[in-house]
Amino acid sequence: GQQVMQIPQYQHVQEGEDFTTYCNSSTTLSNIQWYKQRPGGHPVFLIQLVKSGEVKKQKRLTFQFGEAKKNSSLHITATQTTDVGTYFCAGTGGGSYIPTFGRGTSLIVHP
Amino acid sequence: SAVISQKPSRDICQRGTSLTIQCQVDSQVTMMFWYRQQPGQSLTLIATANQGSEATYESGFVIDKFPISRPNLTFSTLTVSNMSPEDSSIYLCSVVETGFPSRGYTFGSGTRLTVV
Repeated sequence: GQQVMQIPQYQHVQEGEDFTTYCNSSTTLSNIQWYKQRPGGHPVFLIQLVKSGEVKKQKRLTFQFGEAKKNSSLHITATQTTDVGTYFCAGTGGGSYIPTFGRGTSLIVHP
Repeated sequence: SAVISQKPSRDICQRGTSLTIQCQVDSQVTMMFWYRQQPGQSLTLIATANQGSEATYESGFVIDKFPISRPNLTFSTLTVSNMSPEDSSIYLCSVVETGFPSRGYTFGSGTRLTVV
């Protein structure tokens, strides 16, 4: 079945540093979604990317979808303590309409 | 986006017993999804629940262990039956709304289950 690999598993940064998490799929995706889960909370939808090579921005967050639609990244510029949490990618493809979640990257921001 | 009320938020249960988790959505949705998330891990889909039909279970999950009800378009329950410590996890219900731009999946607040 479809697999979505996400790295790194953990990332410690100093406040103000940048952060990037990467997702790679074993198959071509029809779309990819990104979610944020605060500690003790539930996943919250951030964005969906559909087009090859698509780039979307939300304030300090930049989301990219690869040209081959097999990989994606989330980049946070100048992290803040409010960015703490686990970021999940979720890819849809392979004939299924239900996304497969990556393992998540836990971001720890040190003040 | 839809708002989901999930309860209980947490419970500690004895092994061999069952727990029923409820999710109420503030709008009608065709499909509801049940996920399991073990601490520090990703989300694993248990089953998809459609109103008026039997739930569709993912590989590794069976109806006898995780019976699901979906009596109407705003409500669903998941029962964790004959629990063992391995069932300790967070259980989340989720819905997806159609429309553009996509609003992705909306999750309930989760049920943190500990089996002792």
